[in-house]
This record gives sequence, C-alpha cells and structure tokens, in this order.
Amino acid sequence: EAGVTQFPSHSVIEKGQTVTLRCDPISGHDNLYWYRRVMGKEIKFLLHFVKESKQDESGMPNNRFLAERTGGTYSTLKVQPAELEDSGVYFCASSQNLGTDTQYFGPGTRLTVL
Amino acid sequence: GDSVTQMEGPVTLSEEAFLTINCTYTATGYPSLFWYVQYPGEGLQLLLKATKADDKGSNKGFEATYRKETTSFHLEKGSVQVSDSAVYFCALSDPGSNYQLIWGAGTKLIIKP
Repeated sequence: EAGVTQFPSHSVIEKGQTVTLRCDPISGHDNLYWYRRVMGKEIKFLLHFVKESKQDESGMPNNRFLAERTGGTYSTLKVQPAELEDSGVYFCASSQNLGTDTQYFGPGTRLTVL
Repeated sequence: GDSVTQMEGPVTLSEEAFLTINCTYTATGYPSLFWYVQYPGEGLQLLLKATKADDKGSNKGFEATYRKETTSFHLEKGSVQVSDSAVYFCALSDPGSNYQLIWGAGTKLIIKP
C-alpha cells in the first residue's frame, strides 16, 4: 500500500511569487491534514479535510493560504503571494477515521522563500 | 489551550546508553498521546502511541507510559544504537481540539559509537 506522498520535495521561490504544494493521501483515507514547521519552531496544525470538506481550518495563518481537496482525493495548498515567513517544511498527513486513529505523514515539502 | 512540553536537545549519548526524553502535556479533555520520529532526510513516522491512562506504547525497543497523574508520556529505551539518531516529537490529539495533533518542539538525539 502506497503511503502519503507530497510534491514537490523542495521549492525555492522569491517573495511575492505563488507556490502550490500537493498531497496524495493513503487511498481510502477520508481525513487529510496539513501541518507546517517553521524554522526553529514547533510543528503547527494548518487545516483538516474530511473528504472534500474543510472540517477545521483554524490553523491557517492568513488569507494568502488556500487549500483545496478536489473530489476528496488529493489536496493542494497554495500560497499566494509568498512571504519570507512562509519558509518551512509543510507536512501532509492522512487517517482513515477520526479520534484515536493514527495520522500517517508524508515526507514533507521544504519551502524556501527568498 | 492544549500544549506539549518536551525536553530541549540536542541530547548526546553513547551507544548502549539508557535514554529518557521527557514529555509533559496539558489538555482539557482526555487526549491520546504519540511519539513521532524523524530520521535524517525522511518524513515523520509514528513511533508509538497510547490512547488512555496507564497504557504503555512500545515499538523498536522504545516505550512510553501514559501517566495521567503526572500528565507525562516520557520516552525511554534501555540501550540506544547509532541508528536511533533522529529528532523525536511528542504530540497529543484531543477531541476538544478536533483531533488535530499538538506538538512539542522536538528533541534531537545524537548517538555516538
């Protein structure tokens, strides 16, 4: 069974540009989460999808971030326009059920904004 | 709100030494507790978990016991190996926080041969 995959693995862009990150969850997992770790800080929750619906987007930092999950399959996270403080590692995770179910993580996308 | 505090690193040990990485938490409800590990160049992997008080999670020689009375979930291993060098994250999941994972800062572990 394939794990969670993320693309790209690295992205280097200039301030003001747009970047789109993609996450493919484990097949059959209805729950999809985005987290990020900004340099030197804790991993922070961004948002949670259940199928194609946003269940919780309380962690989204501002309206420059837009997440979608088309058809309840893969998800994209777009940052537009990117700022220097958006640099960090963006992780995606998926789980089959809520509650105590384990969240399985992808390898992350390292975003560098210059 | 909920939070997780874990000991700062880096922690440097010799091979075969005993390991403890402390983790304490605050939560409004009855959380599940997790240890994740990130090996160099890789993503986050679940190491072990415990879903209720007094549960013990274990995997790859690592153990942690969910202690409600001390709100702790310390990670231990009796004899570490060089291959255990990684960053270890303590995290909780609470129904009151919609089951999002709330993370500690991570502890970098360096094992010297």
